[in-house]
Amino acid sequence: DTEVTQTPKHLVMGMTNKKSLKCEQHMGHRAMYWYKQKAKKPPELMFVYSYEKLSINESVPSRFSPECPNSSLLNLHLHALQPEDSALYLCASSQVVAGTNYGYTFGSGTRLTVV
Amino acid sequence: TQLLEQSPQFLSIQEGENLTVYCNSSSVFSSLQWYRQEPGEGPVLLVTVVTGGEVKKLKRLTFQFGDARKDSSLHITAAQPGDTGLYLCAGARIQGAQKLVFGQGTRLTINP
Repeated sequence: DTEVTQTPKHLVMGMTNKKSLKCEQHMGHRAMYWYKQKAKKPPELMFVYSYEKLSINESVPSRFSPECPNSSLLNLHLHALQPEDSALYLCASSQVVAGTNYGYTFGSGTRLTVV
Repeated sequence: TQLLEQSPQFLSIQEGENLTVYCNSSSVFSSLQWYRQEPGEGPVLLVTVVTGGEVKKLKRLTFQFGDARKDSSLHITAAQPGDTGLYLCAGARIQGAQKLVFGQGTRLTINP
């Protein structure tokens, strides 16, 4: 299995809602990532998990809360979002071997719209 | 600070033409990757280059990593409409290789 699976594919939520994005991979990758991508822009890193521990938080607002229940799963919990948080949210995984990053496998993303 | 300058940002050419996309930096990277992204989908890894001066070919696509590992290029020969998409270069720093630095992307359109 060489895929990263993200659910849901589309999500519309109100500013008072609580929702979660889910990501799953079975490639044995020990690094997993959340990225945010606005239209016509490159992906922006949000969080990095390495061996199920949060290793990088790119100063993301607390209304985004990541969770890594095990080595295959990554969640992003959303609460009290703003309309400007509407974007494509991408999950990715990778293997870093002897300090070399050989590339990410991205999921198809969740298109989030905050109304 | 944009550590990876990618050019051109937009490119529209006719089917059958050749093109080159450039990715330049003043920083040294431990590896550099090229991705292609279709609308509404996640980026798909095309290639990873690791060694300075390395050249990799993927059918009509040729990727090169600069000798000093600061720059890279993607050359497409005889472009086809199926090559249309957003091309992203991304570099992995020597310290903290997990975190990639992305270029701004090249939006390529191949007209039939």
